[in-house]
Amino acid sequence: AQRVTQPEKLLSVFKGAPVELKCNYSYSGSPELFWYVQYSRQRLQLLLRHISRESIKGFTADLNKGETSFHLKKPFAQEEDSAMYYCALSGLGNQGGKLIFGQGTELSVKP
Amino acid sequence: EPEVTQTPSHQVTQMGQEVILRCVPISNHLYFYWYRQILGQKVEFLVSFYNNEISEKSEIFDDQFSVERPDGSNFTLKIRSTKLEDSAMYFCASRQNTEAFFGQGTRLTVV
Repeated sequence: AQRVTQPEKLLSVFKGAPVELKCNYSYSGSPELFWYVQYSRQRLQLLLRHISRESIKGFTADLNKGETSFHLKKPFAQEEDSAMYYCALSGLGNQGGKLIFGQGTELSVKP
Repeated sequence: EPEVTQTPSHQVTQMGQEVILRCVPISNHLYFYWYRQILGQKVEFLVSFYNNEISEKSEIFDDQFSVERPDGSNFTLKIRSTKLEDSAMYFCASRQNTEAFFGQGTRLTVV
């Protein structure tokens, strides 16, 4: 079964604290993993993907195939990071492939 | 920067009525998608469209749903006879490579 699980609906941290948004997946094949972010009243936008192995806005995520996880991390959270974060997967190399989303985690960064 | 545009932003319709949700994907993209998000639930895949035909559809996308690309720029989702449970945010997305770009969504309310 193809599934993405984000166990936390809401994560609340103080500014400057480290943050980790958890994502686990189930996929029979080689998945491509993504994190999408949705700021208040804005559209879903790509934050990062595992293939590019880049850091965007201080966020990183490492694909752990053994644990089937793709957790999103940032060492020092900022107030502007407050948003909904969605982990998603697609079939690797399948350019026409659909995205399968997790439930989303709302990150709230308090001053 | 090019964007995916959806109209209307909010549509209220009576149960049993037909609705058409419109999307203008990014012009050089080849893959098009519709997703929906019922309030409080995850973003769910409905249908993908490539080369003027449906390439994949979910169980949700039953005979009441149809998609069209009538003029090479618009991409529409039609719901023939709306039900209360069709109330949701509907997102259009388009994709050229691995990154999917999303529209801002249409909130459909069926009363």
